[in-house]
Amino acid sequence: DGGITQSPKYLFRKEGQNVTLSCEQNLNHDAMYWYRQDPGQGLRLIYYSQIVNDFQKGDIAEGYSVSREKKESFPLTVTSAQKNPTAFYLCASSPPSGRAYEQFFGPGTRLTVL
Amino acid sequence: AQSVTQLDSHVSVSEGTPVLLRCNYSSSYSPSLFWYVQHPNKGLQLLLKYTSAATLVKGINGFEAEFKKSETSFHLTKPSAHMSDAAEYFCVVTSNQAGTALIFGKGTTLSVSS
Repeated sequence: DGGITQSPKYLFRKEGQNVTLSCEQNLNHDAMYWYRQDPGQGLRLIYYSQIVNDFQKGDIAEGYSVSREKKESFPLTVTSAQKNPTAFYLCASSPPSGRAYEQFFGPGTRLTVL
Repeated sequence: AQSVTQLDSHVSVSEGTPVLLRCNYSSSYSPSLFWYVQHPNKGLQLLLKYTSAATLVKGINGFEAEFKKSETSFHLTKPSAHMSDAAEYFCVVTSNQAGTALIFGKGTTLSVSS
């Protein structure tokens, strides 16, 4: 089955710790995205990558970092610099350029900072 | 600049009655518009899309939306609500003409009572 997997589903972190969220896709998509979702805020773009070894900041990149060493993988690190990291994080991917709207979403990771 | 405004944060209907979720947009060019649906603690799923073809767009699960340029609206409708329609719905616009990124509305939660 083709799709996007995110792990873990729930993640707890102590304040001041870095944590990495996993996102893997086997859809052979070039573009991948990370969004943050807060209640009543919709989705906000953190980072996106159109191709391996290249990525761009989205609207709320501060306190986050990413890498894109493989086409299939786009991990997101939430650093201790992120002031309010508790949120639901969604990863997505899309087919080649011109069809970014056809984003396929993973099931999400809910991060809670204790 | 591109933006979308979902006019209702919460809509409640009875099973079997019509559904109307309202969305207005702002765009400096001819936009592409979409509706996504998210069930609790799940990823998002594309419901339907408008990409400058027919102004009345049909989607999955009996939903449809009409693009009205004169009113800058893209409201989502369904003739008869089903319990399984209870979810959060997002109106979305492409952030640029290349369609390489999306801007999400803040969401409308649809509740369906029996």
